[in-house]
Amino acid sequence: AQSVTQLGSHVSVSEGALVLLRCNYSSSVPPYLFWYVQYPNQGLQLLLKYTSAATLVKGINGFEAEFKKSETSFHLTKPSAHMSDAAEYFCAVSEEAGSYQLTFGKGTKLSVIP
Amino acid sequence: KAGVTQTPRYLIKTRGQQVTLSCSPISGHRSVSWYQQTPGQGLQFLFEYFSETQRNKGNFPGRFSGRQFSNSRSEMNVSTLELGDSALYLCASSLVERGEQFFGPGTRLTVL
Repeated sequence: AQSVTQLGSHVSVSEGALVLLRCNYSSSVPPYLFWYVQYPNQGLQLLLKYTSAATLVKGINGFEAEFKKSETSFHLTKPSAHMSDAAEYFCAVSEEAGSYQLTFGKGTKLSVIP
Repeated sequence: KAGVTQTPRYLIKTRGQQVTLSCSPISGHRSVSWYQQTPGQGLQFLFEYFSETQRNKGNFPGRFSGRQFSNSRSEMNVSTLELGDSALYLCASSLVERGEQFFGPGTRLTVL
């Protein structure tokens, strides 16, 4: 079974600072990897996805992530945090090659300090 | 195009009762998946329905069941509710089986 580890259940950054949310995965098949964002009392919104094309993936709201096979990592970054980025972020990996059935990490709650 | 809708948004039940949650997928989507989200366990896959058939199932007891109708709308049922069933239940729809998923806002179930 696939697994996802998100380092840090809570991350705080100052407004304008770099956002770095860490995700490491374990997969026995070539993975699809995803980052989702969840705002309070809402569902999940897809930020970006890696499906074996370019290793640097750009998503919505200025976020990007880089797939590093050698490190089994898929960290999420944004150069400059905005107050509206405060939310919970989930990394996910596909259960099977070419599948979107997902295993999620535990999530990282991002706080942005004005 | 309208997104995934889930009803009701909030629900309060007592232990031992049963509950039915509803999910209407994006128009044209034929697959519906259900997830349970709790602070302790995070997001866990419950099951996926495609063309009215359960295709995949997560590691949940038989008290959790679901079905899908011919119009792709889906319901999930939890019988004999336990306190630990309190959670946000998310539905996601996709065009095809195990396809890219689009999530609804969830139903917040509280069991007292």
